Amino acid sequence: KNEVEQSPQNLTAQEGEFITINCSYSVGISALHWLQQHPGGGIVSLFMLSSGKKKHGRLIATINIQEKHSSLHITASHPRDSAVYICAEGSQGNLIFGKGTKLSVKP
Amino acid sequence: NAGVTQTPKFRILKIGQSMTLQCAQDMNHNYMYWYRQDPGMGLKLIYYSVGAGITDKGEVPNGYNVSRSTTEDFPLRLELAAPSQTSVYFCASSLQAYNEQFFGPGTRLTVL
Repeated sequence: KNEVEQSPQNLTAQEGEFITINCSYSVGISALHWLQQHPGGGIVSLFMLSSGKKKHGRLIATINIQEKHSSLHITASHPRDSAVYICAEGSQGNLIFGKGTKLSVKP
Repeated sequence: NAGVTQTPKFRILKIGQSMTLQCAQDMNHNYMYWYRQDPGMGLKLIYYSVGAGITDKGEVPNGYNVSRSTTEDFPLRLELAAPSQTSVYFCASSLQAYNEQFFGPGTRLTVL
């Protein structure tokens, strides 16, 4: 059974800092998802990737298939980036989720 | 498009009561999912459906039932509610497997 581990569990940053959140998984995957859960509870999909790198605004997601590792980077962080970031892998059709990384960006 | 909608937003049940959590999507997605989210834990899959008339168990199906009579609707039924079912429930949909999933706003359920 694939397991998804995220680090760190909690992260506090100052506005403007560069943020990195890590995700490791244990078996080969077909797609790696990054999601954001807002303080109000809503969940939105940020990225889905199976190789290389994707960028959307200040967010960048990378994946290393050989090392079974993905990272989510946030450049020039802002208090509105405060949320829980969740990684999930989809090797068997359904998603297996990590426990999330709670990010707090202070002004 | 409304996307994925869920009702109710909040509910308190007594032990042994039953209820149905409603989920609907207007994106003509084939796949629909029910997850539960407990504090400090990752989302867990309860049931999923790959199309109208087809449902299958996920990781934590005990105590729940689902049906998928139309492409749009995927209700989750709780029979004989137990305190262990206190959780936040999310419905999601995707066009196909391995695609981006779209989530509803969630239902916060408390069983006392």
